[in-house]
Amino acid sequence: AQSVAQPEDQVNVAEGNPLTVKCTYSVSGNPYLFWYVQYPNRGLQFLLKYITGDNLVKGSYGFEAEFNKSQTSFHLKKPSALVSDSALYFCAVRDGAGTALIFGKGTTLSVSS
Amino acid sequence: GAVVSQHPSRVICKSGTSVKIECRSLDFQATTMFWYRQFPKQSLMLMATSNEGSKATYEQGVEKDKFLINHASLTLSTLTVTSAHPEDSSFYICSARPLAGSTDTQYFGPGTRLTVL
Repeated sequence: AQSVAQPEDQVNVAEGNPLTVKCTYSVSGNPYLFWYVQYPNRGLQFLLKYITGDNLVKGSYGFEAEFNKSQTSFHLKKPSALVSDSALYFCAVRDGAGTALIFGKGTTLSVSS
Repeated sequence: GAVVSQHPSRVICKSGTSVKIECRSLDFQATTMFWYRQFPKQSLMLMATSNEGSKATYEQGVEKDKFLINHASLTLSTLTVTSAHPEDSSFYICSARPLAGSTDTQYFGPGTRLTVL
């Protein structure tokens, strides 16, 4: 069965500092990996995805993520955090095209000014 | 870009009543739609997968007779919570996968907040 782990409930960073939100996954086949962001009482907004190709994926709002097959990780990163980046971030995985996304429990990112 | 809407955005109902939530893909046709529920400060839990014109596939532990899903067209799926109870109070989010294009693309609606009194 596929699963996603986000080990941190909350990540706190100061504005302008780099941020990392961690994600590890487990799938039986080749992983399709995604990051979404959710603002309060809102649906999910797509940030980026890894299907195949370059391990470093660039997405919306300056975010990027690196796929590491040996560590089964897909950490979300941004070189310089903004206060407006404060939100709930979800990592998600599916084990092939056409299957449903399975989400991690989410990590709350808090960026202080 | 692809837009998914949900209606209503917020609903309050009495225990024992039924509530219908609509999920529409506004500018694309969706062969598959998914329904999730989210408890406060928790992750999205997949409830069911629905394909247009066929019966929904429910995840383990989700009562299909309580959460009725209909996917009658390529742009509309409905979730009906029957005989709602306070424990059904949650944030329900749908997502839709376009008929055309990559099957790994999934677009999410804004969610529906259900409160059962």
